Amino acid sequence: SQQGEEDPQALSIQEGENATMNCSYKTSINNLQWYRQNSGRGLVHLILIRSNEREKHSGRLRVTLDTSKKSSSLLITASRAADTASYFCATDAGQGAQKLVFGQGTRLTINP
Amino acid sequence: EAQVTQNPRYLITVTGKKLTVTCSQNMNHEYMSWYRQDPGLGLRQIYYSMNVEVTDKGDVPEGYKVSRKEKRNFPLILESPSPNQTSLYFCASKHPDRRETQYFGPGTRLLVL
Repeated sequence: SQQGEEDPQALSIQEGENATMNCSYKTSINNLQWYRQNSGRGLVHLILIRSNEREKHSGRLRVTLDTSKKSSSLLITASRAADTASYFCATDAGQGAQKLVFGQGTRLTINP
Repeated sequence: EAQVTQNPRYLITVTGKKLTVTCSQNMNHEYMSWYRQDPGLGLRQIYYSMNVEVTDKGDVPEGYKVSRKEKRNFPLILESPSPNQTSLYFCASKHPDRRETQYFGPGTRLLVL
């Protein structure tokens, strides 16, 4: 079953603008991760935020986590054409075996 | 270079013809997993393995088999492929520590006619 739901499904912005993507999930989690996928390629890990963390930064990326609302957001600042990709959130919900449950992704297009 | 490799990268086959997609990682990871990616459905886990000789079903295991005889390899076997198994397949591996992230292979695009 899918736990993470990204919003919006697609986002198109101008280069230099900020892009915000949201992820909602249903059950309690150990951590939440964001991945990027360039068209038809493998997923690349971007950032992991643990359930006891509220915000995390990595370069131009900022991730927030609100466990009370079961939601997370990924902010990409000063977007570049190379940021064009699909972005997925994935939750590690525990329950014994380690398992990532992925959302359907947000397709981000950066227009030059 | 730390990596997960998959072979083949592209495969066209016919219904019922057994095939194997290989996956290998050079990071000495205990945990390995297979996913399929379909439009509108995101990634869904097929099987995973916590260590050698330890495998378990994911969300969509029907029609697939796996084996884990060596730590570095985790092949995905389709004994009798069907058209609904046409998909993009990804292998991934990670250290069992929950704080560690998954490393994904480049993907195998499979078309079953």
